[in-house]
Amino acid sequence: GQQVMQIPQYQHVQEGEDFTTYCNSSTTLSNIQWYKQRPGGHPVFLIQLVKSGEVKKQKRLTFQFGEAKKNSSLHITATQTTDVGTYFCAGPKSNYQLIWGAGTKLIIKP
Amino acid sequence: DTEVTQTPKHLVMGMTNKKSLKCEQHMGHRAMYWYKQKAKKPPELMFVYSYEKLSINESVPSRFSPECPNSSLLNLHLHALQPEDSALYLCASSQDLQSGRGYTFGSGTRLTVV
Repeated sequence: GQQVMQIPQYQHVQEGEDFTTYCNSSTTLSNIQWYKQRPGGHPVFLIQLVKSGEVKKQKRLTFQFGEAKKNSSLHITATQTTDVGTYFCAGPKSNYQLIWGAGTKLIIKP
Repeated sequence: DTEVTQTPKHLVMGMTNKKSLKCEQHMGHRAMYWYKQKAKKPPELMFVYSYEKLSINESVPSRFSPECPNSSLLNLHLHALQPEDSALYLCASSQDLQSGRGYTFGSGTRLTVV
């Protein structure tokens, strides 16, 4: 069945270092969505990418959608403590159903 | 108003209890969802209501019973739960997933079954 793989599971960084998480789908996606979940919180929608090769920026966050629309990445430049949390990618299975990646947990080393 | 409101925030219940989780949104979204999330895992879809009708039931045990009284409200009735049902229960709403706005999640109900 349709799967969305996300790596790495965890990433430990020093504050100020960069962070990247990668998502790979077994099928071509019509779009891909990214969510952030803070510790103890709920998922919050960040962005949706639709076009092949699309790149979108939100301040220090850069989102990319691959040319084949099967992979995506989220890159955070110069991480801050407010970036801590788990980042999920998700692709639509139907008009109302998402297939979620396993998530990448961003941990800032003390 | 761009929120999904869930009550209660925390719930402890015994295996013989009956309880209900409530969810409300006033964004005019026509799809509402119940998700279950275990620690360190992504959300797991339970039910989808589209235009107030149950459109997806992901083989959820009958001890979980959803209800959509109107387009703004979604309930999840719980009965005879097991300790392994302890989890964060998330309500979400959306327009069509092609709309570009994704899901809006509530803050969740943290359920403990004892």
